[in-house]
Amino acid sequence: EVQLVESGGGLVQPGESLRLSCAASGFIFTDYWMTWVRQAPGKGLEWVANIKEDGTMKKYVDSVNGRFTISRDNAKNSLYLQMNSLRAEDTAVYYCARTYEYGYDYWGQGTLVTVSS
Amino acid sequence: DIVLTQSPDSLAVSLGERATINCKSSQSIIYSSNNKNNLGWYQQKPGQPPKLLIYWASTRESGVPDRFSGSGSGTDFTLTISSLQAEDVAVYYCQQCHSTPYTFGQGTKLEIK
Repeated sequence: EVQLVESGGGLVQPGESLRLSCAASGFIFTDYWMTWVRQAPGKGLEWVANIKEDGTMKKYVDSVNGRFTISRDNAKNSLYLQMNSLRAEDTAVYYCARTYEYGYDYWGQGTLVTVSS
Repeated sequence: DIVLTQSPDSLAVSLGERATINCKSSQSIIYSSNNKNNLGWYQQKPGQPPKLLIYWASTRESGVPDRFSGSGSGTDFTLTISSLQAEDVAVYYCQQCHSTPYTFGQGTKLEIK
């Protein structure tokens, strides 16, 4: 059974950092790109970043480029999102998703990040 | 960036009736490697992650009931639920995976009339 479990969310102050993790199981992790998608409270979905199977290619939405870093550890079947210089507008539930070229077939339950003073 | 505009923002349909949601793209999203439209549809119920319903604009994901169908090409796409069931109450999103950032539409909230 495919499982994606996010962790690492919490309450931080503006300007602080946070590292999200996504533990993958039930599939061959190295066969898939992976993606982070976020959803602000009561709002729609926003694509954040994705990473190639071997970690050599990464793409970001402009609003996080230079502040967030997506990475993966294929030995640990884990995906990460290092978030620096956090802003109030980064407050959201962050989902990791298994990625095909046409979309995302499995999603985690999400982890909530709240940026507030 | 490619902008996806969904219409309507909300929709109320009677049980057993047809529901239609539209998604218009600001540019063509034909995927060069296979000449298919790289548009997907997701369903999100409260407190749950999104669920992939349709990809390549018209291919139903495994396990998705056949009352859900997708159509369209170029810049105009449609999600149709042929006979609305109570469990279909949700927010529906379209998404393009043609070019990054892989944008989503703003969502359409579907309710029972």
